[in-house]
Amino acid sequence: GAGVSQTPSNKVTEKGKYVELRCDPISGHTALYWYRQSLGQGPEFLIYFQGTGAADDSGLPNDRFFAVRPEGSVSTLKIQRTERGDSAVYLCASSYAGGLQDEQFFGPGTRLTVL
Amino acid sequence: AQSVTQLGSHVSVSEGALVLLRCNYSSSVPPYLFWYVQYPNQGLQLLLKYTSAATLVKGINGFEAEFKKSETSFHLTKPSAHMSDAAEYFCGAGGTSYGKLTFGQGTILTVHP
Repeated sequence: GAGVSQTPSNKVTEKGKYVELRCDPISGHTALYWYRQSLGQGPEFLIYFQGTGAADDSGLPNDRFFAVRPEGSVSTLKIQRTERGDSAVYLCASSYAGGLQDEQFFGPGTRLTVL
Repeated sequence: AQSVTQLGSHVSVSEGALVLLRCNYSSSVPPYLFWYVQYPNQGLQLLLKYTSAATLVKGINGFEAEFKKSETSFHLTKPSAHMSDAAEYFCGAGGTSYGKLTFGQGTILTVHP
């Protein structure tokens, strides 16, 4: 079956530009997570959706970052006025219901490079 | 706050040798613990998870991990390394109310012929 997909796989942008990163979770999964993985580091939590609502956005680094999931499936992570420090791999994961024991299935990530 | 520490950013073993990747967590309440593997240009894949049913957890590809509360550890082992085990491994801890994960910084495993 189809796993979690993310587009684009690579994104190169210039400092100050706006970018959107897309995540298609596994069909039927109500929980969706965004993580950011900087070079040499483990993934860091950004935001968690349960259905259409952001249940926890405590990991978003500042107000330049925003994410939506309007129909409870596809999610878009939006970054305004990008900075060089935003360069990282952005990972999306989904799980069946967001429970403590639910396995999170990860997408391959979007590598964002801000020049 | 929850934290996970992986000791050793790089581990190198010979093919056929024991693999030991170390993970320690900080928490007053045993969390849900996971090990994920990341192959080059692929997403993270779950190797195994601890959910308090048994302290020794067996995962895929011959890996296992033992939860030791007294040491707050969840080290990953495999008796005999294979070349295909070369990858980056992440230890993660779950939250207290939903599946938000906190990851360690990762350990790159190199397997020499």
